[in-house]
Amino acid sequence: DTAVSQTPKYLVTQMGNDKSIKCEQNLGHDTMYWYKQDSKKFLKIMFSYNNKELIINETVPNRFSPKSPDKAHLNLHINSLELGDSAVYFCASSQPGQGSNEKLFFGSGTQLSVL
Amino acid sequence: GDSVTQMEGPVTLSEEAFLTINCTYTATGYPSLFWYVQYPGEGLQLLLKATKADDKGSNKGFEATYRKETTSFHLEKGSVQVSDSAVYFCALSEKNTGKLIFGQGTTLQVKP
Repeated sequence: DTAVSQTPKYLVTQMGNDKSIKCEQNLGHDTMYWYKQDSKKFLKIMFSYNNKELIINETVPNRFSPKSPDKAHLNLHINSLELGDSAVYFCASSQPGQGSNEKLFFGSGTQLSVL
Repeated sequence: GDSVTQMEGPVTLSEEAFLTINCTYTATGYPSLFWYVQYPGEGLQLLLKATKADDKGSNKGFEATYRKETTSFHLEKGSVQVSDSAVYFCALSEKNTGKLIFGQGTTLQVKP
């Protein structure tokens, strides 16, 4: 069973479109994250949710809106896609408070290409 | 703010060569330090970690020692294999927020 799964794996779309990436974790973790990895492999946190509550919201355009219907899911919706949004987006989860707060479990990524 | 700096890649080595990937950090206080590895087409996985000064993290033949005096956490392996080819990320955990701050990643290519 995949611990953190995200779909789709590849997403090719036109500028101006709206798209969503879904993420689910079956580890029972309370905290979930979205990270963006650019073409130079630089990885930057975008959002973090703890038990459906937003706790980290980095400087990300308003076009990006995370949604957490329950603590096992954290979806990312992107409006009006731009060329600069092309990147690999990683979902991750962790369980704070058990001595392993910082151990993140990552999904395999969604490669978004905006044409 | 806190930050992590890694050596530029790619690093290209022959099988059985010695590996060092340098990592230095800037942080308030004494953060926990980590190495994550990303194999091609996959997400990151925790490789090893150290939570206080002079701690040594180790896993799969890789080691890194938390050096407070030089604010470093260099990754080493005595004999690399082709299967070690991946991107390696150094990271720290911000004390106040628990947020992970990653370095820019170093690509390692091991040739047979």
